[in-house]
Amino acid sequence: NAGVTQTPKFQVLKTGQSMTLQCAQDMNHEYMSWYRQDPGMGLRLIHYSVGAGITDQGEVPNGYNVSRSTTEDFPLRLLSAAPSQTSVYFCASSRSGTGDYEQYFGPGTRLTVT
Amino acid sequence: KQEVTQIPAALSVPEGENLVLNCSFTDSAIYNLQWFRQDPGKGLTSLLLIQSSQREQTSGRLNASLDKSSGRSTLYIAASQPGDSATYLCAVRPEEGYGGSQGNLIFGKGTKLSVKP
Repeated sequence: NAGVTQTPKFQVLKTGQSMTLQCAQDMNHEYMSWYRQDPGMGLRLIHYSVGAGITDQGEVPNGYNVSRSTTEDFPLRLLSAAPSQTSVYFCASSRSGTGDYEQYFGPGTRLTVT
Repeated sequence: KQEVTQIPAALSVPEGENLVLNCSFTDSAIYNLQWFRQDPGKGLTSLLLIQSSQREQTSGRLNASLDKSSGRSTLYIAASQPGDSATYLCAVRPEEGYGGSQGNLIFGKGTKLSVKP
């Protein structure tokens, strides 16, 4: 199993550009989520999904969109990038959103917005 | 609101020392607690997961304990090595209805460990 994979690993965008961060898992997990990690702020939840076709907002959703058309994939879209979105983005998955299940994290995408 | 605190923020020890990293959380309604390791510029590596019904978990030189009633967990590293140098993160998974978004892990800000040769 590859676990949780993310692409790209690094990305530089200019203000106003759009892009999609890709996330995939091969563990047949129902629950997937996106976090951003910023110095001094720790990891914060952006969006999450409890299954195909079901998504919801986390703690810091503004400026990001998500969709979940398949169990395996959970892309994160930045529609109009801003310097405040410079961060490291982690995708995670778990067997379920409730209950005692471990979360598995991808390797991260390092995004810089100039 | 669930909050996770890790003390100290940074720790420097000589090689070979045994050490303890601390994690505290404000609400005992959790499913589990995970300890992660993060190397500079890298992703999160899960070290240990302790279920809410467990008191401790062990993996090699690592031992994590959980006292849910007092809201505390410790990560014990025996015979530390320079390769253990990294940031260690603690995260709790709140029970449904006790932590905001479903499935959200609440993270501490981490302890940066440096083991000197």
